[in-house]
Amino acid sequence: KAGVTQTPRYLIKTRGQQVTLSCSPISGHRSVSWYQQTPGQGLQFLFEYFSETQRNKGNFPGRFSGRQFSNSRSEMNVSTLELGDSALYLCASSTRTGAYEQYFGPGTRLTVT
Amino acid sequence: TQLLEQSPQFLSIQEGENLTVYCNSSSVFSSLQWYRQEPGEGPVLLVTVVTGGEVKKLKRLTFQFGDARKDSSLHITAAQPGDTGLYLCAGESTSGTYKYIFGTGTRLKVLA
Repeated sequence: KAGVTQTPRYLIKTRGQQVTLSCSPISGHRSVSWYQQTPGQGLQFLFEYFSETQRNKGNFPGRFSGRQFSNSRSEMNVSTLELGDSALYLCASSTRTGAYEQYFGPGTRLTVT
Repeated sequence: TQLLEQSPQFLSIQEGENLTVYCNSSSVFSSLQWYRQEPGEGPVLLVTVVTGGEVKKLKRLTFQFGDARKDSSLHITAAQPGDTGLYLCAGESTSGTYKYIFGTGTRLKVLA
């Protein structure tokens, strides 16, 4: 089975711009979660989508949003970028059955200048 | 706020040494996962523990879930340079809004 894929892998944006990141989960996985990873804050949960519905949301401002499509692919959008949004953004997919095991993609490295 | 505290934060050891990483919380978890992450990549799932007191072995790695399901440990026997990486515990709490949380991480470096 193909793993979780994320595009793009690297991105450089300017303050005030917006960005859209994409994630394709493992085939058959209906849950997709997004995380932000920074050296100072570690891995922080952004939100989870399951069958096109947002199931859980972390403590991030409304500039961070996401959606999931009928094929389980997900996108994350960040509007009005700030320098502090520079981070590795990780997507993880899961079947959400039994113990909650997640399989991560390689991440998108976002740099805001 | 639910937290998963890991200790130590950093560990640098010689090849062949043993080590233990701890993951502690005041919350009860329905399950705990351990992941290893290498620079520039996403975390890779190593193991899931579900039952209090459970012990799982993965080659030289031994994982234990506390009896009360509030803590876990990872023991590595005869560490090798290939074990180098960031080790993260994570779990789905039985209470709270943000159910799945990651530990603070342990950065391990094994020197040849």
